[in-house]
Amino acid sequence: NAGVTQTPKFQVLKTGQSMTLQCAQDMNHNSMYWYRQDPGMGLRLIYYSASEGTTDKGEVPNGYNVSRLNKREFSLRLESAAPSQTSVYFCASSLREQGRAAFFGQGTRLTVV
Amino acid sequence: TQLLEQSPQFLSIQEGENLTVYCNSSSVFSSLQWYRQEPGEGPVLLVTVVTGGEVKKLKRLTFQFGDARKDSSLHITAAQPGDTGLYLCAGARAAGNKLTFGGGTRVLVKP
Repeated sequence: NAGVTQTPKFQVLKTGQSMTLQCAQDMNHNSMYWYRQDPGMGLRLIYYSASEGTTDKGEVPNGYNVSRLNKREFSLRLESAAPSQTSVYFCASSLREQGRAAFFGQGTRLTVV
Repeated sequence: TQLLEQSPQFLSIQEGENLTVYCNSSSVFSSLQWYRQEPGEGPVLLVTVVTGGEVKKLKRLTFQFGDARKDSSLHITAAQPGDTGLYLCAGARAAGNKLTFGGGTRVLVKP
């Protein structure tokens, strides 16, 4: 059982380049999330998807777009990367019911130069 | 300004000492969770509290949810070096289950 799988694990981009971070879960979860974590900090919610076909902005959505391709997959796209987007990105998933645990991927360490 | 404020941001103690981490908000949450994160890994759930005033124990860890469901605390008794890590609280508001995290408390337990 793989849980939540994120790709790639590491990425270096030049300012202005675009890329898509991929996330897939095999736990049949309804809800999926994208967070960013800056050094020594907590997690800030970028986008959230309660179910297939729905997405909602989180605390820091500017500069990002998402796509909930199906129940399993939730991708995060940076259209024009900026140094301020250097961070570790985590994808997570959970059941829809309140209080259910969120399961996280291993993270993607992104550096924008 | 974060919806969930954690304090302290950093805690360094000796093995065997006790510690308490706080998670506070001006908003009401339907549930609060505590996660622990190791370097290079994603957070892992420790506990979920859903009822105001609820107390849960997990070995040497005690979690409490405030009566008004706006705050929570994590208490570790007789801390061990293996307790070292980043502790994160996370809450879901009543209107949905969008999970918001606090800024985290980094705990260092020295042998």
